[in-house]
Amino acid sequence: EDKVVQSPLSLVVHEGDTVTLNCSYEVTNFRSLLWYKQEKKAPTFLFMLTSSGIEKKSGRLSSILDKKELSSILNITATQTGDSAIYLCALPDSGGSNYKLTFGKGTLLTVNP
Amino acid sequence: NAGVMQNPRHLVRRRGQEARLRCSPMKGHSHVYWYRQLPEEGLKFMVYLQKENIIDESGMPKERFSAEFPKEGPSILRIQQVVRGDSAAYFCASSPNRDMNTEAFFGQGTRLTVV
Repeated sequence: EDKVVQSPLSLVVHEGDTVTLNCSYEVTNFRSLLWYKQEKKAPTFLFMLTSSGIEKKSGRLSSILDKKELSSILNITATQTGDSAIYLCALPDSGGSNYKLTFGKGTLLTVNP
Repeated sequence: NAGVMQNPRHLVRRRGQEARLRCSPMKGHSHVYWYRQLPEEGLKFMVYLQKENIIDESGMPKERFSAEFPKEGPSILRIQQVVRGDSAAYFCASSPNRDMNTEAFFGQGTRLTVV
């Protein structure tokens, strides 16, 4: 069975801090890894990673995949209170469907002013 | 272009009642997916539908749960004779193709509470 483990489960930081969120996975057929941000509403797509070592960047957020270590990190620099959310990591299942995602439990990030 | 619309946002049902959750996909999207988020758990796939067809219901509990996506109108997730364990957030997502990657969008979810 595919498995996605995120750490830490929760994190509290002050505005301006830099955070690193981790996602480890066990799948028999890796195709991609997705990151989402979930505030008190819809999960919104952040990044899709398919190749090791290539950083994806969007503003203060960046993410990189390490296929050798079966993991990915999501970095947020100069955090703001608006970054407070649950960050989710997900992978399409090993059966080949791109619609059946296995999600981790998420990391709850709280950014205090 | 409105996003994926789910209603109601919050639903309270007594044990034994029926719950109906609605999902209107984004304009131009004919693929709908339902996921459930139990407390302290990650989102879990339930069912994938295209217009008038259930493509994959491998994540649906065998009893009491059903889903449809009629030719006209929203997709409906129906839970009969609800029990406390059905309390969860139910999310719908839609996409223009058979893919939950970059072109899929989630709705804001329906939080079901069974009392």
